[in-house]
Amino acid sequence: GESVGLHLPTLSVQEGDNSIINCAYSNSASDYFIWYKQESGKGPQFIIDIRSNMDKRQGQRVTVLLNKTVKHLSLQIAATQPGDSAVYFCAENWPGTASKLTFGTGTRLQVTL
Amino acid sequence: DSGVTQTPKHLITATGQRVTLRCSPRSGDLSVYWYQQSLDQGLQFLIQYYNGEERAKGNILERFSAQQFPDLHSELNLSSLELGDSALYFCASSLPAFRSSGANVLTFGAGSRLTVL
Repeated sequence: GESVGLHLPTLSVQEGDNSIINCAYSNSASDYFIWYKQESGKGPQFIIDIRSNMDKRQGQRVTVLLNKTVKHLSLQIAATQPGDSAVYFCAENWPGTASKLTFGTGTRLQVTL
Repeated sequence: DSGVTQTPKHLITATGQRVTLRCSPRSGDLSVYWYQQSLDQGLQFLIQYYNGEERAKGNILERFSAQQFPDLHSELNLSSLELGDSALYFCASSLPAFRSSGANVLTFGAGSRLTVL
């Protein structure tokens, strides 16, 4: 399940610094949004989600901000660690009984020591 | 281990051939989703099944087909393979949102890497 080789924008961050990964979504009717992390050799892994009626949600070392006015989502990682190195995808859920997730392009986070 | 099992992990085949990818969903999940991840397209939704029935279709080619069996495992069949079909194919499962109180969080398997030569 490697994502190595994907042609993605890359964010380089020094260990201990905060990381901010941005995402633009397309559907103003999306009812919730999810951030996934994909490490080398693995499938995407759930990090955090946020409903469209919220502006901010915090998890352990992560915060997601939602700006519906400009259809923008961000993931903030506090005190970035080498283990945070991965590709990060935002996904939006299009509502309906057959709801499905639509994924963004992804951002590669590289943590330097 | 996410609980979603995909086989095979790697597959190398020739153009024109047909392959089958298999997925066992996480215990208790009723929906299965297939995604394709290629170099220039990111994660593309292919198809979704819920409890054996097709529920949503994405950008799935006519050469591709899928099904979900009574035991809830799913197979993705790729035929008349072309070089451009080389990609990672992910299966994900979920308990659909209308069956739960929260977001429809998909749990992904580790993927099947298909190489068409």
